[in-house]
Amino acid sequence: GDSVTQMEGPVTLSEEAFLTINCTYTATGYPSLFWYVQYPGEGLQLLLKATKADDKGSNKGFEATYRKETTSFHLEKGSVQVSDSAVYFCALSGSDYKLSFGAGTTVTVRA
Amino acid sequence: GAVVSQHPSRVICKSGTSVKIECRSLDFQATTMFWYRQFPKQSLMLMATSNEGSKATYEQGVEKDKFLINHASLTLSTLTVTSAHPEDSSFYICSARIASSYEQYFGPGTRLTVT
Repeated sequence: GDSVTQMEGPVTLSEEAFLTINCTYTATGYPSLFWYVQYPGEGLQLLLKATKADDKGSNKGFEATYRKETTSFHLEKGSVQVSDSAVYFCALSGSDYKLSFGAGTTVTVRA
Repeated sequence: GAVVSQHPSRVICKSGTSVKIECRSLDFQATTMFWYRQFPKQSLMLMATSNEGSKATYEQGVEKDKFLINHASLTLSTLTVTSAHPEDSSFYICSARIASSYEQYFGPGTRLTVT
């Protein structure tokens, strides 16, 4: 079945550092890929998405590129802020529209 | 646009009682709604998928008689935790999908504590 493997955390960074969270997937067909962010005590917010190979999703300085050849969708941000502290989930959606989530990566950014 | 609300945001109930959680799509009609459960510091576990006007489809290992799901309209789905026990304490999150879209819009979640 479909699955997502995500870099385990927690990740602790200083402000303005570079962030990368690795995500690889296993799926049949051509899934859509997503990154969601969850702030403490809240539900999930869509951060960015990509629906086909070589698409690049971007939002709020975060980027991820759908790489079919390596089945990856790594999340990157060049300069993080304290407000980026959250849990980040990689996810895919297959033909049944169900989302399969990675385990989540907790990111803490220190001033 | 694409806002999903949940009510209540937090609920505390006694063991043996039932609790209903509502999930509403506020500005769109949701073809499908999903219910997830999230344990502390863990990922989301899909519990069931519900389509308006039909019975919910439950994931393996989820008791359908314990977690009753009703999707009465294109904007409302409810999850009722029946005869709740302390092990049912968790964060329950719903999401909604528009027809022909892969994207799901998530509610803010409901924190259930069973004492």
